[in-house]
Amino acid sequence: GAVVSQHPSWVICKSGTSVKIECRSLDFQATTMFWYRQFPKQSLMLMATSNEGSKATYEQGVEKDKFLINHASLTLSTLTVTSAHPEDSSFYICSARPLHMYQETQYFGPGTRLLVL
Amino acid sequence: AQKITQTQPGMFVQEKEAVTLDCTYDTSDPSYGLFWYKQPSSGEMIFLIYQGSYDQQNATEGRYSLNFQKARKSANLVISASQLGDSAMYFCAMREPQGAQKLVFGQGTRLTINP
Repeated sequence: GAVVSQHPSWVICKSGTSVKIECRSLDFQATTMFWYRQFPKQSLMLMATSNEGSKATYEQGVEKDKFLINHASLTLSTLTVTSAHPEDSSFYICSARPLHMYQETQYFGPGTRLLVL
Repeated sequence: AQKITQTQPGMFVQEKEAVTLDCTYDTSDPSYGLFWYKQPSSGEMIFLIYQGSYDQQNATEGRYSLNFQKARKSANLVISASQLGDSAMYFCAMREPQGAQKLVFGQGTRLTINP
């Protein structure tokens, strides 16, 4: 149980285009999902907290108009990188916190590698 | 502000030996949670073990145990009988006690198990 999927796993795009990444909790409901970014040889940095049915909460320094987050259901959150540039190339990984789980463990998706040319 | 520190960028251990990965944290909140995740080269984050700040006993999960020393604010991960498949990045993380309860991660330790 507690499986989180991400799609796509790899994406290569041209500079200036938009890319949408999906994060799904497959066997549980999650009112809260988190989006992280990880540059090579670095740790995970939280970008935003996605709440079902409400606006996402962005971390300091993360542009909300560039990284659009939609959490339309209890099992799906999407991150759209708008007008992507080479500096947006990174590993994007989401996590979901099950709705009913005492330990509040977050389960992570397999990640999406984005390369902007 | 909460902070997680992992001071070992890399560790090299012989197969079948035990290994301890260090993690110290800093928080003023009495209620918090500590996690360890493993990240192999594929990139996925694999949950290993959890310790709550009010837990009386150290957490254990199979070959993983957490050496929780609250007064020292340390939460070291101990892997017993290491295996080649344990080679990966290991991240310590702390959960905020309130609100969205987001995780703050340490810098990570790259563990290499030698045959």
